[in-house]
Amino acid sequence: QSALTQPASVSGSPGQSITISCTGTNSDVGTYNFVSWYQQHPDKAPKLMIYDVNNRPSGVSDRFSGSKSGNTASLAISGLQAEDEADYYCSSYTSSGNVVFGGGTKLTVL
Amino acid sequence: QVQLQESGPGLVKPSETLSLTCAVSGYSISSGYYWGWIRRLPGKGLEWIGSLHHAGSTYYNPSLKTRVSLSMDTSNNHFSLQLRSVTAADTAIYYCARRKSSSSFDYWGQGTLVTVSS
Repeated sequence: QSALTQPASVSGSPGQSITISCTGTNSDVGTYNFVSWYQQHPDKAPKLMIYDVNNRPSGVSDRFSGSKSGNTASLAISGLQAEDEADYYCSSYTSSGNVVFGGGTKLTVL
Repeated sequence: QVQLQESGPGLVKPSETLSLTCAVSGYSISSGYYWGWIRRLPGKGLEWIGSLHHAGSTYYNPSLKTRVSLSMDTSNNHFSLQLRSVTAADTAIYYCARRKSSSSFDYWGQGTLVTVSS
């Protein structure tokens, strides 16, 4: 299984909105509504931000939202804040019953 | 509150076996869910290693399948990872986590750095 494709970096100014893409194949993202997004700050464990494409766990800000079209899923963050600066990873269920992660995207808040 | 804590050697010699244990508190692992291992390679992203269920089902990353074994000790509420024949490329931060749904992990351990070096 190949890693999902994410942009290496994105950036935005405080208050702006950004989107991070996550491209897979018909064997994962394109077939299953089981895409998740994680936020990871330096030296911290990943934190689940979105699951099953567009669901937020309790306690996650509604500034974070997820969507999917075809083989590409997206994470949108509105009203950027300094604390949003982190690495973001997507993951998907696969046709083999496995899990595949994206390569990660570094979000810089300018 | 579900909590997970990894433990094991921080240094492993090349060709030897990496062994880690994940102690779970606040939830009985025999009650359900899959439990898994994920690693973050230096300068790279996250890599899923595998997941297991107390009923016996296990899933492994195809790229690691020949070297990985996952097991569970329900009486002590922990699960374990063994990675055989390690090389420097296996140096990473290893995390254990609870698999909430088909692809999401909702509770994570803090992670443990394992270095493969002679």
